[in-house]
Amino acid sequence: DAGVIQSPRHEVTEMGQEVTLRCKPISGHDYLFWYRQTMMRGLELLIYFNNNVPIDDSGMPEDRFSAKMPNASFSTLKIQPSEPRDSAVYFCASSFQSPEQFFGPGTRLTVL
Amino acid sequence: RKEVEQDPGPFNVPEGATVAFNCTYSNSASQSFFWYRQDCRKEPKLLMSVYSSGNEDGRFTAQLNRASQYISLLIRDSKLSDSATYLCVVHGGGTSYGKLTFGQGTILTVHP
Repeated sequence: DAGVIQSPRHEVTEMGQEVTLRCKPISGHDYLFWYRQTMMRGLELLIYFNNNVPIDDSGMPEDRFSAKMPNASFSTLKIQPSEPRDSAVYFCASSFQSPEQFFGPGTRLTVL
Repeated sequence: RKEVEQDPGPFNVPEGATVAFNCTYSNSASQSFFWYRQDCRKEPKLLMSVYSSGNEDGRFTAQLNRASQYISLLIRDSKLSDSATYLCVVHGGGTSYGKLTFGQGTILTVHP
């Protein structure tokens, strides 16, 4: 069975550019989570959805970040405009009727 | 105060050693507890759940003390392959159902 799929796996961009990260959760899962991981701050929850509806976006750092889930099999996290301090690994995770979350391989973002 | 606090280590132990990690959490209403493992440059993966009575999975033993809001993980007979970062994870339940809070992680290196 396919796990959580994320793309791209690596992204290098210049400050000011728009960045879009993509996630396909495990089929049938009803929760989807976006995390950011840095050495300094560890793993931080940015936003999560239940049945495609955003439940808690209190972790989204600022208005430059937005996330959507147009259907049960796809979500995007967008950063516009990007800044060097956004450099991090961004993980998507999904779960189904259980606190256990399954993580994708992550997108390693570098903003120059 | 952080919601979930761990000793970041690093712990450097020889093969065959026993090592213990500790974790405290601040929200007394937390419902369930987990240890995740994260290998270098990989995604976090569930290692084991933590139950009030304590539970064991092979060489791994997890304990929960709700009164002290304290969680532990014991690894016996360490293997080289146990080298990883161990994340203490708390699930809030209730209106935060589905949402996990991660500690900063404890780094373990097992050497020959």
